[in-house]
Amino acid sequence: EVQLVESGGGLVQPGGSLRLSCAASGFTFSGYWMHWVRQAPGKGLVWVSRINSDGSSRSYADSVKGRFTISRDNAKKTLYLQMNSLRAEDTAVYYCAREVSIRTHDYWGQGTLVTVSS
Amino acid sequence: QSALTQPPSASGSPGQSVTISCTGTSSDVGGYNYVSWYQQHPGKAPKLMIYEVSKRPSGVPDRFSGSKSGNTASLTVSGLQAEDEADYYCSSYTGSNNLEVFGGGTKLTVL
Repeated sequence: EVQLVESGGGLVQPGGSLRLSCAASGFTFSGYWMHWVRQAPGKGLVWVSRINSDGSSRSYADSVKGRFTISRDNAKKTLYLQMNSLRAEDTAVYYCAREVSIRTHDYWGQGTLVTVSS
Repeated sequence: QSALTQPPSASGSPGQSVTISCTGTSSDVGGYNYVSWYQQHPGKAPKLMIYEVSKRPSGVPDRFSGSKSGNTASLTVSGLQAEDEADYYCSSYTGSNNLEVFGGGTKLTVL
């Protein structure tokens, strides 16, 4: 059974940092591109970042470029999102999602809540 | 990276059909056949319902169908059932920087 389990969310002050993790199981993690998508409370889904299967190519939404870094450890079957210089507008549930074909996400984690507030 | 445009709400009675639109540009929806639709119930993760404009993953009822004309994609739910009440989001590949863009979401109410 495919599973994606996010962790690492929590309360952080503006300007602070947080690292999210997404542990994968039930599939060959190293064979898939992976994404982070976020959802602010009561709002819609917003694409954040993606990484290719071997980690050599990464893309970011303009709103997080230069502050967030996506990475992966295929040996540990884990996806990461390092978030620095956090702002109130980064407050959201962050989902990791597997890409099965171009920008098609067939499996999603349950999400982890990040709250940026003083 | 502007969001795709969806109506904020849609509704229909049980057994009826409803169509939700998703409008983009020639750089995303109109330029590629990589439009997906996701269903999200409150407090839950999104679920893939349609991919590559009109393909249905296994396990998704054939009451759900997708199409595209020009820069607008559409999701049609036929034979509405109470469990179809949820938020629906479209997404598309965008050739701009090889990225992805979501719609603002549509809340589907089954009357």
